[in-house]
Amino acid sequence: GAGVSQSPRYKVAKRGQDVALRCDPISGHVSLFWYQQALGQGPEFLTYFQNEAQLDKSGLPSDRFFAERPEGSVSTLKIQRTQQEDSAVYLCASSLTDSRNTEAFFGQGTRLTVV
Amino acid sequence: AQTVTQSQPEMSVQEAETVTLSCTYDTSENNYYLFWYKQPPSRQMILVIRQEAYKQQNATENRFSVNFQKAAKSFSLKISDSQLGDTAMYFCAFMKDTSGTYKYIFGTGTRLKVLA
Repeated sequence: GAGVSQSPRYKVAKRGQDVALRCDPISGHVSLFWYQQALGQGPEFLTYFQNEAQLDKSGLPSDRFFAERPEGSVSTLKIQRTQQEDSAVYLCASSLTDSRNTEAFFGQGTRLTVV
Repeated sequence: AQTVTQSQPEMSVQEAETVTLSCTYDTSENNYYLFWYKQPPSRQMILVIRQEAYKQQNATENRFSVNFQKAAKSFSLKISDSQLGDTAMYFCAFMKDTSGTYKYIFGTGTRLKVLA
């Protein structure tokens, strides 16, 4: 596609519900990563994939958060038993290579509201 | 641990004027990258400019330039000839030069408003 696509754009979940957020990276991009952006804050790192391998998941805040990229393309971020503190914008980005010299392209994010 | 500080929560500038956004960071690393990202209301983060720490020369991209002071750990963004479309949140970010991850450390942002 032309850019990184995330769906849904908005998600409202009741506390305790499971949610799944989808990211379609730019075709052929090796690197994919997820960030969480709370209201009024800068994005915070969640996890990084190189193709299908999850090389860094040090930012996942709890074992309720799980991410996968089974075929090295589309990625899903799953949050189980959502809580109010999970309310945030979840940003996905991709990059052509795994080099820090390569530009990362961000999607427009999914705004999750837990009520 | 690395930290990034943006001390100006909000700034405004008249159209066609010049504005400078401040950023300081803390790290013990010698090799790293610094970035400025723009986030308009659409929420999509857009890369404005990037600087490699090993490069002495300040990066420039059209109307955007940086003043990189490695010893002072300062990385300010200058926007010349400001345009209405520059109105957005601006985030300064740091990344270690380490393989196996793609971890930006972002500041809290500066909201820039360009006035007509």
